[in-house]
Amino acid sequence: AQTVTQSQPEMSVQEAETVTLSCTYDTSESDYYLFWYKQPPSRQMILVIRQEAYKQQNATENRFSVNFQKAAKSFSLKISDSQLGDAAMYFCAYRSGGNQFYFGTGTSLTVIP
Amino acid sequence: DVKVTQSSRYLVKRTGEKVFLECVQDMDHENMFWYRQDPGLGLRLIYFSYDVKMKEKGDIPEGYSVSREKKERFSLILESASTNQTSMYLCASSFPTDYSNQPQHFGDGTRLSIL
Repeated sequence: AQTVTQSQPEMSVQEAETVTLSCTYDTSESDYYLFWYKQPPSRQMILVIRQEAYKQQNATENRFSVNFQKAAKSFSLKISDSQLGDAAMYFCAYRSGGNQFYFGTGTSLTVIP
Repeated sequence: DVKVTQSSRYLVKRTGEKVFLECVQDMDHENMFWYRQDPGLGLRLIYFSYDVKMKEKGDIPEGYSVSREKKERFSLILESASTNQTSMYLCASSFPTDYSNQPQHFGDGTRLSIL
């Protein structure tokens, strides 16, 4: 099974500041897909951003961007201009050509007003 | 938008009961999944299904079974509920491997308490 590691169980950031959540993964595949999901308290898990491994350019979605380092098997999420609504549990996920998705253990992000 | 609907947000059952958790998706996804979410452990896959009547065990299938009689519906069954099955249960669906760049879509979750 593939392994996805999120080494930061908890993070905090001041409102309007920038925070980076880390994720590493273990794979022998060359073609795969990476995702960051956000799960607000008592709410549905939703997709934040995705990255295809064959693309060298880092994905960006508004205030969210990734730093994808394929050789290092690293996929970090950067949140710029943090807002109170960004407070949530964030999960990193991996999918290769199979049906399964593999998730990290999550990082709980607190945004301080 | 994809909608994945889980039948209950909160459920309280007693040990030894047979418990059914239902999940329905409206996007014609081939794949459906049941996860268990516990603090510090992330999402752990219980079972998934890639077609009607097809199922595969995930990482923690013991004590659970599933049923998929129709494409849009995937049920998780706790055969004889035990207190260690108290948890948050998440249902998800996705397209198959031909669309590997597509994410999973999740339901709201069912918080199950076994007393």
